[in-house]
Amino acid sequence: EIVMTQSPATLSVSPGERATLSCRASQSINSDLAWYQQRPGQGLRLLVYGASTRATGIPARFSGRGSGTQFTLTITSLLSEDFTVYYCQQYVNGPPYTFGQGTKLEI
Amino acid sequence: EVQLLESGGGLAQPGGSLRLSCAVSGFTFSTHAMSWFRQAPGKGLEWVSAINGDGDSAYYVDSVKGRFTISRDNSNNVLFLQVNSLGVEDTAVYFCARVGGGPNVGRDAFHFWGQGTLVTVSP
Repeated sequence: EIVMTQSPATLSVSPGERATLSCRASQSINSDLAWYQQRPGQGLRLLVYGASTRATGIPARFSGRGSGTQFTLTITSLLSEDFTVYYCQQYVNGPPYTFGQGTKLEI
Repeated sequence: EVQLLESGGGLAQPGGSLRLSCAVSGFTFSTHAMSWFRQAPGKGLEWVSAINGDGDSAYYVDSVKGRFTISRDNSNNVLFLQVNSLGVEDTAVYFCARVGGGPNVGRDAFHFWGQGTLVTVSP
């Protein structure tokens, strides 16, 4: 099973600033990585897939980079609604799909 | 607009059973693989099961094999998860999700998610 590790667990930033979240895979997953946002009490919202392709309707403030084992999600000009939890997920070989443990973005 | 709506969660005793449903709309259900995920209270996300568009291929995480069964009704646009022999470790919010495109289970992100249904297993 591919283990996904996110860092940091909690990231403190201010509105209007930039946040960079990291995700590392235990083995190469090429670019088969997705980033999701989860607000309290809600399902997941796909932000980025293929490591760098923004999903439909996702603003350009969200950008993903990386390949192989190292990935980042950058959020610029942070809005209050961005302060929540983010997960990375790999899907390189199909199931089992595995997630990082999440990064909480807080003010 | 794509919509997924889970139901069927609730309180069950250890050893009990529930049938979770995910009613979908806004897309051609039979042409998309689907999955169930779960999230224990305050914890991260775990993939549970997947099924292809035709419903003839199913996949499970090891911890639920032999206890959970995924199925789908393509005529009525509903995905199911039959959960049997429940243990306290199965307590979680269960989400259904749709892949980006295609009927095959495999290399694809999950573009649409439901809000989840809570399963609580307690004596």
